[in-house]
Amino acid sequence: EDQVTQSPEALRLQEGESSSLNCSYTVSGLRGLFWYRQDPGKGPEFLFTLYSAGEEKEKERLKATLTKKESFLHITAPKPEDSATYLCAVWGGATNKLIFGTGTLLAVQP
Amino acid sequence: NAGVTQTPKFRVLKTGQSMTLLCAQDMNHEYMYWYRQDPGMGLRLIHYSVGEGTTAKGEVPDGYNVSRLKKQNFLLGLESAAPSQTSVYFCASSYGGSTNEQYFGPGTRLTVT
Repeated sequence: EDQVTQSPEALRLQEGESSSLNCSYTVSGLRGLFWYRQDPGKGPEFLFTLYSAGEEKEKERLKATLTKKESFLHITAPKPEDSATYLCAVWGGATNKLIFGTGTLLAVQP
Repeated sequence: NAGVTQTPKFRVLKTGQSMTLLCAQDMNHEYMYWYRQDPGMGLRLIHYSVGEGTTAKGEVPDGYNVSRLKKQNFLLGLESAAPSQTSVYFCASSYGGSTNEQYFGPGTRLTVT
C-alpha cells in the first residue's frame, strides 16, 4: 500500500536553529515527491519536486533531499516567517494519485 | 493571474441541504482536483478531472458529485449534506499528471450541523 509518514508532528525551533523534517514513504514506482508549505487558513503552496534518489533542490533557507526511502527538508537558520505546516506528498504508482502525509507543524520563535 | 480561486470561502449547512462549491483556474491546466482536509489526516482526494468533460473518483467520493463543463471550472456538489462532510475543501490544478506539481486554491471551510 502506498503510504507517506512525516515526522516529527510538531517542531519548535529558536530563530537561527537549523533542523530537518522527515518524510518517509513506501510507494510502488516513485514518479515524484512533492513538498508544500501551508499557512493557517490557506491552501498548500508548492515548494519542490524531487524525482529520483540523490536529487537535491534549494530555495532560500530550505533544501530538500531524496533517498529511495525518505526525503528530508532541511531548514538552515530559520526565521519566524518560516513558521508553517510543511506537507510531503508522493505520486503513488499503484493508486495513480497524490498521497499526502499529515504534515509537520513548524514554529520558529524569535 | 489569479491562479486557483474558490467560492465560497465559508459556508454553514444544515443536514440534508445541498450546495455547490466552485473552483476556477486561469493557468490553462488540464487536470483539476478536489480534496478535503481534516485534522490529523492528510489531504484526501475526492474527485478529479483530466480534461474538460471528464471526471473520475478519488479516494473518498461518496456523497459528492462533480462536473467539468468548462476547462477552467470544476464544480463540487453535495446533494444531501451530512455532519461527516464538515471539513475544509481544497481545489487544485496541474498541467499534467504524476510528475507535475499541483497548485491549490485558498479553501472553503464547510460546517454541516
